[in-house]
Amino acid sequence: QVQLAESGGGLVQPGGSLRLSCVASGFTFSDYYMTWVRQVPGKGLEWVSYISDGSDYTNYLDSVRGRFITSRDNAKNSLYLQMDSLRVEDTAVYYCARAGRFPSSSLLYWGQGTLVTVSS
Amino acid sequence: NFVLTQPHSVSESPGKTVTISCTRNGDSIASKYVQWYQQRPGSAPITVIYEHNQRPSGVPDRFSGSIDSSSNSAFLTISGLKTEDEADYYCQSYESNNHGVFGGGTKLTVL
Repeated sequence: QVQLAESGGGLVQPGGSLRLSCVASGFTFSDYYMTWVRQVPGKGLEWVSYISDGSDYTNYLDSVRGRFITSRDNAKNSLYLQMDSLRVEDTAVYYCARAGRFPSSSLLYWGQGTLVTVSS
Repeated sequence: NFVLTQPHSVSESPGKTVTISCTRNGDSIASKYVQWYQQRPGSAPITVIYEHNQRPSGVPDRFSGSIDSSSNSAFLTISGLKTEDEADYYCQSYESNNHGVFGGGTKLTVL
C-alpha cells in the first residue's frame, strides 16, 4: 500500500535552515507529482509547494518562494524540502502528499507529518 | 488569489445527513477540481472526495461530493452520520497558476 514517511523536523532558530525528507513506497514514485502541505498546530491546512514527476516544474506559496526549495530523487523514492531563512511563522507540521499526474491534481495520499518549530 | 469559504462548524445527530459547503470567490467552481479531506484530532488528513465527486477506495459511500455553478460552491454530504465521522473537513482546489488553496476547515460535531 502507499506509504509516505516524513522526517527531519525539529527546533531551529529564526534565520536558520532545515531539510525535510519524505520517503515513499507502494507506488511508482517517478510517475507522480509530489506536494508539501503545512499546518500550524490548531489551525488549518496550507499548501506550500509541488514538484513535477521529472523535477521539471516546481511551484511555491508566495510567502516561501525564494526561501524554500522542493526537490526529489526518483532513484531513492524521496522528496525533499530545503527550508532556509526560517521565520517564526513557518512553525508547523509539514506533510508530504502524493498528487496525481498533472499540477492541479488531488492529494490522494498523505504522510503523518513532521513538526518544525522555529523559535529562539 | 481566490478564497474557499467554509462554515466554521456544523453539528448533527447520529444517523442524520449533513452537508458542508465550500464557496469559491472569483473563478468558476468548475474551473479546477475540488477535493475534500477529513482530519481527526492528532491525525494526518485523509482524502474522502477528489475531483468534485469521486470517492477513493475504502471511503464509505455515505460520503458524496457535488458542485453547484449557480452558487459557485462545492458540497460534501455525509449521510447516516456516525460518531466516527466527527472531525475537521477541508475543501481544496487550485488557482489558475496551479497554486493550491484550502478552505478554512469545518468542524463537524456528531452529537
